[in-house]
Amino acid sequence: NAGVTQTPKFQVLKTGQSMTLQCAQDMNHNSMYWYRQDPGMGLRLIYYSASEGTTDKGEVPNGYNVSRLNKREFSLRLESAAPSQTSVYFCASSEISGEPSSGANVLTFGAGSRLTVL
Amino acid sequence: AQSVTQLDSHVSVSEGTPVLLRCNYSSSYSPSLFWYVQHPNKGLQLLLKYTSAATLVKGINGFEAEFKKSETSFHLTKPSAHMSDAAEYFCVVRGLTGGGNKLTFGTGTQLKVEL
Repeated sequence: NAGVTQTPKFQVLKTGQSMTLQCAQDMNHNSMYWYRQDPGMGLRLIYYSASEGTTDKGEVPNGYNVSRLNKREFSLRLESAAPSQTSVYFCASSEISGEPSSGANVLTFGAGSRLTVL
Repeated sequence: AQSVTQLDSHVSVSEGTPVLLRCNYSSSYSPSLFWYVQHPNKGLQLLLKYTSAATLVKGINGFEAEFKKSETSFHLTKPSAHMSDAAEYFCVVRGLTGGGNKLTFGTGTQLKVEL
């Protein structure tokens, strides 16, 4: 019962370095999402993929790119990391196709990836 | 604009006593509301959801929440806290905004349960 799996769990980067956060789900869900969690700010949507082959910007997409590699996998890339991107990143998926707020969407979250940019 | 306010950033209770985590929302239209729980080093897990059916919603692990439109509240309660309830809880609102449906997370309430 893996659910949503994120890697790596922890990462430290220097400013300007690049990295990719990987996410995979084994529930045959249509939609996948990337959020960031910062103290006092709740979760904010970075990008989402409503269905395989599509991606859309969320609230805070600047500095990030995503790839929906197939139905299972949705990666988040930081091309040139900045200290403002220090955060905990969560991947989520849902059975219903669409943005996170569509229909009776219920999100299943991964355990998170803690990223520090020095 | 749509918003959700969790009134307490930290709540501490003794094991066996009631839990009350407060959430107020603002939405121009009839919202859907959710509570998620996050245990340490884990992802968020859905506790319960309100989607315009019964105003008293029962969730997992003995939690429930009541939607009160007149008070724009969706407080989370549990009659008797257990040590395993220690976690962070997020209230989430989904409602219509100028740009369509939007999901907004509260800033979280950290629940501490003491012996």
